[in-house]
Amino acid sequence: GQQLNQSPQSMFIQEGEDVSMNCTSSSIFNTWLWYKQDPGEGPVLLIALYKAGELTSNGRLTAQFGITRKDSFLNISASIPSDVGIYFCAVTPFSGNTPLVFGKGTRLSVIA
Amino acid sequence: EPEVTQTPSHQVTQMGQEVILRCVPISNHLYFYWYRQILGQKVEFLVSFYNNEISEKSEIFDDQFSVERPDGSNFTLKIRSTKLEDSAMYFCASSGVWTGHGYTFGSGTRLTVV
Repeated sequence: GQQLNQSPQSMFIQEGEDVSMNCTSSSIFNTWLWYKQDPGEGPVLLIALYKAGELTSNGRLTAQFGITRKDSFLNISASIPSDVGIYFCAVTPFSGNTPLVFGKGTRLSVIA
Repeated sequence: EPEVTQTPSHQVTQMGQEVILRCVPISNHLYFYWYRQILGQKVEFLVSFYNNEISEKSEIFDDQFSVERPDGSNFTLKIRSTKLEDSAMYFCASSGVWTGHGYTFGSGTRLTVV
């Protein structure tokens, strides 16, 4: 099956610091998505990327779709306590009705 | 904001029993999914459903599992003869015409098999 390598596996940062995480694969994908999962909740879509090289922001979050279409990164600026959670990258292997494939997640802890 | 609703939020069942997990997808969505997340692990695809039939399923989704859309609003996952290793969070999701926009997930059902 599709394999996404997401790193780091976990992060402990001070409130106010910037955060960077990434996702790589040996395969090409048409869409990269970033989700956040709060404890006891389902994943919530943060950012969707559709074109190679695309850079998209959502408030303090910025994500980029790698030019090779094999990677993506997510940055969070000026972290706050509510940023705590697990961040997953996800891809759709093809367009149309194909299931999302998720990375293993990056667990973010923010120390106030 | 439209949401996907799952019930129950937590289900405890004895090994060997059957369970039905229920979901109400967003009303104008056409594609429905079940995913599973074992504690501390990634979210894994189980099955997708479109036009009243399964469109894709993973190797996890064996004969023990079945899905149904019994009416115009509910989407259920049935697990027969539950095993200890079926304990996990089960997430329902739905999406509109183009799944590349990402899914909307429900809050999940925590299944505990004892």
